[in-house]
Amino acid sequence: AQSVTQPDIHITVSEGASLELRCNYSYGATPYLFWYVQSPGQGLQLLLKYFSGDTLVQGIKGFEAEFKRSQSSFNLRKPSVHWSDAAEYFCAVGASGTYKYIFGTGTRLKVLA
Amino acid sequence: DVKVTQSSRYLVKRTGEKVFLECVQDMDHENMFWYRQDPGLGLRLIYFSYDVKMKEKGDIPEGYSVSREKKERFSLILESASTNQTSMYLCASSPPGQAYEQYFGPGTRLTVT
Repeated sequence: AQSVTQPDIHITVSEGASLELRCNYSYGATPYLFWYVQSPGQGLQLLLKYFSGDTLVQGIKGFEAEFKRSQSSFNLRKPSVHWSDAAEYFCAVGASGTYKYIFGTGTRLKVLA
Repeated sequence: DVKVTQSSRYLVKRTGEKVFLECVQDMDHENMFWYRQDPGLGLRLIYFSYDVKMKEKGDIPEGYSVSREKKERFSLILESASTNQTSMYLCASSPPGQAYEQYFGPGTRLTVT
């Protein structure tokens, strides 16, 4: 069955530190992969997506993610975190041939000043 | 910019009431979606629609119905609200041919007492 795992429920980093949020997926074919961010009280905003091609994907707000097929991972990174990055982050897999996303359970990021 | 709006940010209803959640998008998107978001469970798809008057069940359709009479509007209906339907409800839409690029509304936090 298709699934997405975000193993870290909460992560705390200091402002200016680097960040990596983990995402692992289980999918039978080449997945479409996404990262979304949800600020408190807001809907989800698309950070970046991977469909094919270059496995290192650049997104908005200085985020990037790397698709590693051998590890079934699509980890989100940012070299220097800002206080405004405090939010919840969701990884999602698009199911080919359908309109459905499968979402991970989210990672809540706290940023210390 | 794509704009997806939801009729209410917060809603309190009583058990057994019929509840309507409205979603409107202004970008002529064909595809629209309703999700519910619960802590520790991520987002789960309730229903989606890929055209006017067309709908398909998502992963958790029980207790819900939907209506799409116009392209820009997608309504979620709780026929008889129950306390286990207390949740955050998110609407999303996506362009034709890009079902995976979903744009989300701000959400409606529904409390059923």
